[in-house]
Amino acid sequence: GQQLNQSPQSMFIQEGEDVSMNCTSSSIFNTWLWYKQDPGEGPVLLIALYKAGELTSNGRLTAQFGITRKDSFLNISASIPSDVGIYFCAGQLGGGSNYKLTFGKGTLLTVNP
Amino acid sequence: EAGVAQSPRYKIIEKRQSVAFWCNPISGHATLYWYQQILGQGPKLLIQFQNNGVVDDSQLPKDRFSAERLKGVDSTLKIQPAKLEDSAVYLCASSLGAHLGETQYFGPGTRLLVL
Repeated sequence: GQQLNQSPQSMFIQEGEDVSMNCTSSSIFNTWLWYKQDPGEGPVLLIALYKAGELTSNGRLTAQFGITRKDSFLNISASIPSDVGIYFCAGQLGGGSNYKLTFGKGTLLTVNP
Repeated sequence: EAGVAQSPRYKIIEKRQSVAFWCNPISGHATLYWYQQILGQGPKLLIQFQNNGVVDDSQLPKDRFSAERLKGVDSTLKIQPAKLEDSAVYLCASSLGAHLGETQYFGPGTRLLVL
C-alpha cells in the first residue's frame, strides 16, 4: 500500500524561528493536505493542495505540492507558542467513491517561548 | 455549526471484552469515516460510509471489528473481542460528499486502553 515518509519526526525551536517539514511518498497522490493535531483533539485541516506545483499560503503557513506528485512541504514562519502540536501530511488519491486519506507519522513541534 | 461528536471520550477495558464507540457527524454530511490512530502514528482508515453504504472497509479487521450506519446519520464502531494491540485513539470524521479534496472534519476521538 501507499506509504508516506514524514520528516523530521520532531522539532524543538525558539519562538520566532521558521520551521520546515516535508513528506515524501512512494507513489503519486492527487491531493496533498496538511493537518495539525492538538493533544486530546482530532486533526484540523490547515492547507489543502490540489495541483502539482501548487504553492498555497494560509497566514504564516505555506505549503507546496511537489511537481512529481510524490512530495509536499509545509513551512511555518515566525513561530509562536500556539504552533505547538503534531503536524501530519496526508495524501488523497481518489477514484470511484474512495477518497480515503493516507497519513504520515507526524512531526511533533515544540516552540520554546 | 456543531462539529463531529464522539462518545465516550475515554474507555478502559480488559482484553477479550467488547466495546462500542458512537459518532454523530456534522449535519448534512453524507460521508463518514472511522480512523484508528495508534500512539506515535498518523490516523489509519478503518471504514468509509457513503450514506448508509460501505465504500471501503479493506483495512477493517473484520474478525473482531464491525461498524454500522443504519440510518445514514450516526454510526457505531464495535470491537469484539478486544486485543491489547487495539489500544489506540478511534477518530470519526465526516465530509459533505466523497469528492477529491472534500474536507474531512474530525471529531475529538475516543481513547481506548485495553489491559
